[in-house]
Amino acid sequence: GENVEQHPSTLSVQEGDSAVIKCTYSDSASNYFPWYKQELGKGPQLIIDIRSNVGEKKDQRIAVTLNKTAKHFSLHITETQPEDSAVYFCAASWGLNNAGNMLTFGGGTRLMVKP
Amino acid sequence: ETGVTQSPTHLIKTRGQQVTLRCSSQSGHNTVSWYQQALGQGPQFIFQYYREEENGRGNFPPRFSGLQFPNYSSELNVNALELDDSALYLCASSPGQDPPGEQYFGPGTRLTVT
Repeated sequence: GENVEQHPSTLSVQEGDSAVIKCTYSDSASNYFPWYKQELGKGPQLIIDIRSNVGEKKDQRIAVTLNKTAKHFSLHITETQPEDSAVYFCAASWGLNNAGNMLTFGGGTRLMVKP
Repeated sequence: ETGVTQSPTHLIKTRGQQVTLRCSSQSGHNTVSWYQQALGQGPQFIFQYYREEENGRGNFPPRFSGLQFPNYSSELNVNALELDDSALYLCASSPGQDPPGEQYFGPGTRLTVT
């Protein structure tokens, strides 16, 4: 089955700096890679995703890059703000069928943005 | 905020008991997936329901079972509870489409087994 490794497990940055979180996956059949943000006491919130036919995707201060050959993908957050502080999870999946994905999650990164 | 709701928010059960957790999917979504999230870890896939049938299952024993109803809401049932079943149980809904759509999570149910 799929295995997703995520690094670092904790990341502390100064407000305004950039943050980068990296993930590797094992199953070359995986074709969908979402990123989730989870705040304390809440469910994971989808913040950005990328499919295997795309190398990079950007949404305002957030970007994701995918290297299918190396089987790794990364989340980049620029101009970090205190409200970005949370636990971030990467995930990888191949579609079960046209119904949905079975997501395999990384272990999470606790991001702390210091004012 | 997603339109996915879960109930109850918290519950405490004793080892050996049975529990039922409920999930209402976001409007327009016909697929519901369940995940178990132990403290300090990423969510783990339990199973997925699509149009009232189990569509895929992770590495969980048969005492974890589920249902999906005609309105696409879903239940997760766990029999013979064990201490290790203590976790946050998350459901996620998604539109059944090709390619598969994004999954949106509810707030979760915190289960404590004593």
